[in-house]
Amino acid sequence: DAMVIQNPRYQVTQFGKPVTLSCSQTLNHNVMYWYQQKSSQAPKLLFHYYDKDFNNEADTPDNFQSRRPNTSFCFLDIRSPGLGDAAMYLCATSRDRGGMRDEQFFGPGTRLTVL
Amino acid sequence: AQKVTQAQTEISVVEKEDVTLDCVYETRDTTYYLFWYKQPPSGELVFLIRRNSFDEQNEISGRYSWNFQKSTSSFNFTITASQVVDSAVYFCALVASGGYNKLIFGAGTRLAVHP
Repeated sequence: DAMVIQNPRYQVTQFGKPVTLSCSQTLNHNVMYWYQQKSSQAPKLLFHYYDKDFNNEADTPDNFQSRRPNTSFCFLDIRSPGLGDAAMYLCATSRDRGGMRDEQFFGPGTRLTVL
Repeated sequence: AQKVTQAQTEISVVEKEDVTLDCVYETRDTTYYLFWYKQPPSGELVFLIRRNSFDEQNEISGRYSWNFQKSTSSFNFTITASQVVDSAVYFCALVASGGYNKLIFGAGTRLAVHP
């Protein structure tokens, strides 16, 4: 039944040590998103893929990268995590129907701790 | 510029009380979409409702109802006979028809329902 799956649910890394978070979906949606959510804040969009086209938000640090090898999977790579990158990372998907704006389906998130 | 304002940071009610969460939005687009999401303590954002700007009909779904008023740029959410399971952070969000499906979130309202 799970539609958007994120692994791991909890990730602990050390300052400066690269980390990869993964997201998979069974909805066959063509758009996938990565959000960062810090405590008591709204989710902040980092980037999204429209099919294989990568779209970076203007204020997303270069430290954050993403890969989408196929429709079902998307990865978030943090090259050198800093203490300020500790957050919940949410993956979401949606289908695109031209100008229609369908709802986004979110995964359960990965909570990242940086030591 | 597009913006969503949720003026209520936290609301605390006793079970069975009715509660209304306010949402005011700003956009210059004539076509746009409004959403409500629920984020329980587990962290996953759960889609509740999507409404486009041409559909001002109010909606009721069980104990949930939504009041969309373009004249006041508001899209308020009411929970009738609240239950402890309703305790969560609720986000109102806006997407314009142009560009891509980027959710502009409000800051969220934390609802605590006490037994």
